[in-house]
Amino acid sequence: DAGVIQSPRHEVTEMGQEVTLRCKPISGHNSLFWYRQTMMRGLELLIYFNNNVPIDDSGMPEDRFSAKMPNASFSTLKIQPSEPRDSAVYFCASTPSWDMIEQYFGPGTRLTVT
Amino acid sequence: QKEVEQDPGPLSVPEGAIVSLNCTYSNSAFQYFMWYRQYSRKGPELLMYTYSSGNKEDGRFTAQVDKSSKYISLFIRDSQPSDSATYLCAILNTGTASKLTFGTGTRLQVTL
Repeated sequence: DAGVIQSPRHEVTEMGQEVTLRCKPISGHNSLFWYRQTMMRGLELLIYFNNNVPIDDSGMPEDRFSAKMPNASFSTLKIQPSEPRDSAVYFCASTPSWDMIEQYFGPGTRLTVT
Repeated sequence: QKEVEQDPGPLSVPEGAIVSLNCTYSNSAFQYFMWYRQYSRKGPELLMYTYSSGNKEDGRFTAQVDKSSKYISLFIRDSQPSDSATYLCAILNTGTASKLTFGTGTRLQVTL
């Protein structure tokens, strides 16, 4: 099993640029979560999907952030325009169904906005 | 007040020591209490979880929940250098599907 796959692993961009982070969940998993991790705030849930439908996006910090899940095997998190305070590690996680306890995390994308 | 509070450490102990990691939480509706382990530059992985109050043991690891004081603990016996990682507590209210609330994590270093 390949696990959750995220790309890119590292991204360095300049303020104002658009950033797109990608995630492939584990095959057969129906729920997908996007998190952001910083030293100050820890791991925060941004948005989660169930069967490709966004269920709760209350953690998305502002309109600059958007997420899509066009099919069961792919999701994107986009930041436009990016700002230095968006610098963090972004994780994607998946579970077989929304009521499963264990979430399986990807390796993360380390984003640096200069 | 944050829903889950966790001392960030770092905590440094010698090999073989007993380690105690703790979190407090504020919402009494939480039902599942989890510990995730995160190695440097990796994603978190579930170590163990408990439902409601009580203890759960898995090898060298023991998770403990005291709902009356809203306090959760993870004990590591005979700690090893391979236990060096960040440990995150996470709490789930099943009424909100799989929406986990994480502590900020405690960084543990086990030295030879």
